[in-house]
Amino acid sequence: ETGVTQTPRHLVMGMTNKKSLKCEQHLGHNAMYWYKQSAKKPLELMFVYSLEERVENNSVPSRFSPECPNSSHLFLHLHTLQPEDSALYLCASSQSRGDQPQHFGDGTRLSIL
Amino acid sequence: GENVEQHPSTLSVQEGDSAVIKCTYSDSASNYFPWYKQELGKRPQLIIDIRSNVGEKKDQRIAVTLNKTAKHFSLHITETQPEDSAVYFCAASKGSSNTGKLIFGQGTTLQVKP
Repeated sequence: ETGVTQTPRHLVMGMTNKKSLKCEQHLGHNAMYWYKQSAKKPLELMFVYSLEERVENNSVPSRFSPECPNSSHLFLHLHTLQPEDSALYLCASSQSRGDQPQHFGDGTRLSIL
Repeated sequence: GENVEQHPSTLSVQEGDSAVIKCTYSDSASNYFPWYKQELGKRPQLIIDIRSNVGEKKDQRIAVTLNKTAKHFSLHITETQPEDSAVYFCAASKGSSNTGKLIFGQGTTLQVKP
């Protein structure tokens, strides 16, 4: 399934770098999500966009800045990250209803030096 | 706050045996319960879901049961095969919400031994 595409697949960056993660969905969905997946922890919801409007910001530090220019694209801008931010960042999309399945991308494996 | 507890954290079974994973949720307003399978290095993939107006749902070797009174739901895999080995996540959300916010359990690592 290639409905949700994330780039890059791997990213290594220093704490002072600025980088962006990209997500694109080809499923005609109108909601998109960013999740953080760390070892030994459940999937943590970071942001939700519905119809290009941010509807959820789950107490995420300001060093993570999301952007949703249209219903097919979602970005996560990264700046001044900490070592504990190293994780797998997953993007997902769904129809904008709570009882619809979410489809995930392959994720970006982020390592902070 | 909203919480989903998942047990066990690891499960090892012999090929051909059944596997059961259980989840408990805290928000009684939750009414949508998907299960995801994540193989090593791959994306989580939806394998089955259930809505609160149904008590049980089956798809070939996989079934999910829901007990709304007790606020728990379970995944049942019969005739397990080595390719069933993966991490399984349960989740819960409120279907009436328009944000699709899923609360995930901690995950169960299932190992099926040949």
